[in-house]
Amino acid sequence: QKEVEQNSGPLSVPEGAIASLNCTYSDRGSQSFFWYRQYSGKSPELIMFIYSNGDKEDGRFTAQLNKASQYVSLLIRDSQPSDSATYLCAVNRFFDTASKLTFGTGTRLQVTL
Amino acid sequence: NAGVTQTPKFQVLKTGQSMTLQCAQDMNHNSMYWYRQDPGMGLRLIYYSASEGTTDKGEVPNGYNVSRLNKREFSLRLESAAPSQTSVYFCASRTSGAQETQYFGPGTRLLVL
Repeated sequence: QKEVEQNSGPLSVPEGAIASLNCTYSDRGSQSFFWYRQYSGKSPELIMFIYSNGDKEDGRFTAQLNKASQYVSLLIRDSQPSDSATYLCAVNRFFDTASKLTFGTGTRLQVTL
Repeated sequence: NAGVTQTPKFQVLKTGQSMTLQCAQDMNHNSMYWYRQDPGMGLRLIYYSASEGTTDKGEVPNGYNVSRLNKREFSLRLESAAPSQTSVYFCASRTSGAQETQYFGPGTRLLVL
């Protein structure tokens, strides 16, 4: 079992719709959870992070965390063509003197006109 | 404020050649990381440095060495490049505190022939 699992996609949604991206993780000791967006040929850029169970909203983005189910999701409302990218889920755990992120392989999102 | 910078952007090596990938950050972060990204494999941690003067192995350290030259700079060295090291390499640095976040450099594309 992979530590962080994501459906590779592509997930195709029409412009203006809600895109729902999902991620599961195996390590119950994971402390914080991140969503990164990566455009083709570019580096990952942080969209949101979440630490506590429940929802966290930032503009068109909502992150949802359920630690009991070991599940993190990202909702993108009013999807735009510019949202077309690969979305990476990452979980963080503190080891000794440093924290380390473990990444999923990403879900490719396509927003169609 | 340039954030995280990496040089070179692109490099072609022959098998057996050596090279050093450079990374610098101007955000006064203590922790720095080197990842490689391969299709279908996601981002994998090669080495990290929790603070100046310390380095530790990540998930895939074989064939690499690192140096934390000072707080700003963290270099990755390939002593004898192999085709399996063809990849995109990302350096990242991390904020500290309750809302720690990793920020990525633009990446180095390495092709080993």
